[in-house]
Amino acid sequence: DAKTTQPPSMDCAEGRAANLPCNHSTISGNEYVYWYRQIHSQGPQYIIHGLKNNETNEMASLIITEDRKSSTLILPHATLRDTAVYYCIVRAMNNNDMRFGAGTRLTVKP
Amino acid sequence: DAGITQSPRYKITETGRQVTLMCHQTWSHSYMFWYRQDLGHGLRLIYYSAAADITDKGEVPDGYVVSRSKTENFPLTLESATRSQTSVYFCASSEWGQGPLSWGGYTFGSGTRLTVV
Repeated sequence: DAKTTQPPSMDCAEGRAANLPCNHSTISGNEYVYWYRQIHSQGPQYIIHGLKNNETNEMASLIITEDRKSSTLILPHATLRDTAVYYCIVRAMNNNDMRFGAGTRLTVKP
Repeated sequence: DAGITQSPRYKITETGRQVTLMCHQTWSHSYMFWYRQDLGHGLRLIYYSAAADITDKGEVPDGYVVSRSKTENFPLTLESATRSQTSVYFCASSEWGQGPLSWGGYTFGSGTRLTVV
């Protein structure tokens, strides 16, 4: 039972902003939106998370719509090293069963 | 070095053998997790632990055993390995509280690539 929907793949030009969408129309009020990425052969890496407000850190920005049914991860200046699979996950804080879907394979091209 | 480490990095074993994958974290995080990753299935949770001596099943626990006698270690044992358990195994840890990994951010190890022949 997928709780999120992401496009299977996206391309982005190096230096441009990468905008990765995620639909989570059945999100509950106590569920957060998490983003992770997995660079080939490595373990997943935490990027950012949010509840309802937009969030920004040194890696990315997270924009959550007002109705919380979708969100966008923004990498402001994509580099070749940002090529990875990006996972959007919705999860309540007290839920230890964090499930990864198929994610979006982002390819940053020179 | 601080962090989460998995060993071995690569392992080949025969069907029916017992094999243990090790996971060690230096942060004293309460929560630890084991995932497996296969083509076509993504990452699936095998077992997790909320604290020493507390473990619980995830999505795909059959064929695996875990223990957590110390907070920093969370070994995963395949009691009788099968070819279907050929996979990449990731360990992760998490802590509720302050800081960038509060509210459930996970830190993953580098993985163990297990091949059962």
